Amino acid sequence: SQTIHQWPATLVQPVGSPLSLECTVEGTSNPNLYWYRQAAGRGLQLLFYSVGIGQISSEVPQNLSASRPQDRQFILSSKKLLLSDSGFYLCAWGTGGGGYTFGSGTRLTVV
Amino acid sequence: TQLLEQSPQFLSIQEGENLTVYCNSSSVFSSLQWYRQEPGEGPVLLVTVVTGGEVKKLKRLTFQFGDARKDSSLHITAAQPGDTGLYLCAGVGNAGNMLTFGGGTRLMVKP
Repeated sequence: SQTIHQWPATLVQPVGSPLSLECTVEGTSNPNLYWYRQAAGRGLQLLFYSVGIGQISSEVPQNLSASRPQDRQFILSSKKLLLSDSGFYLCAWGTGGGGYTFGSGTRLTVV
Repeated sequence: TQLLEQSPQFLSIQEGENLTVYCNSSSVFSSLQWYRQEPGEGPVLLVTVVTGGEVKKLKRLTFQFGDARKDSSLHITAAQPGDTGLYLCAGVGNAGNMLTFGGGTRLMVKP
């Protein structure tokens, strides 16, 4: 069965510090992978998506970047965090028609 | 750009009441999905509706896809506290791979 792992669950980082969030998928090959950010109690903002190794599409200009070094690994990074980067970050895999499977999320607080 | 608007944004009701959540767009979608998200977790797919006019039932939840495939509704009968959460609709565009998410409806069912 397919599973998706996302860590850490919570993170408190000072302004200006770097960020690295990791997402891995098991049980499937060449998945479409997505990073979303969610404001408190609201909808999902697509940040990045990837259809294959090294292929990254950015949806929103921001202080973040993404990389896909391996088929089932998707990493969200920042060189210097801003207060506005705080939020709930979700990784997902899947295709539109089949639906997405989401990770359990990372609550990032930038202080 | 395909947009999905959900209403209401927030709904607080007593246990046993019925409710309907709406998801509307001016765009046509090839299919539409509903997700439910609990605090601190990722969204979980509830249902996919594909055919215009389609109705699907999941216990006390009834999902309907509009005839023109531009809108959808979620009706909950005799709501229970366990139904509390954020309900998200998501549309699949003609390209088939990407989902467009609505802004979500936060439901609170009080015992």
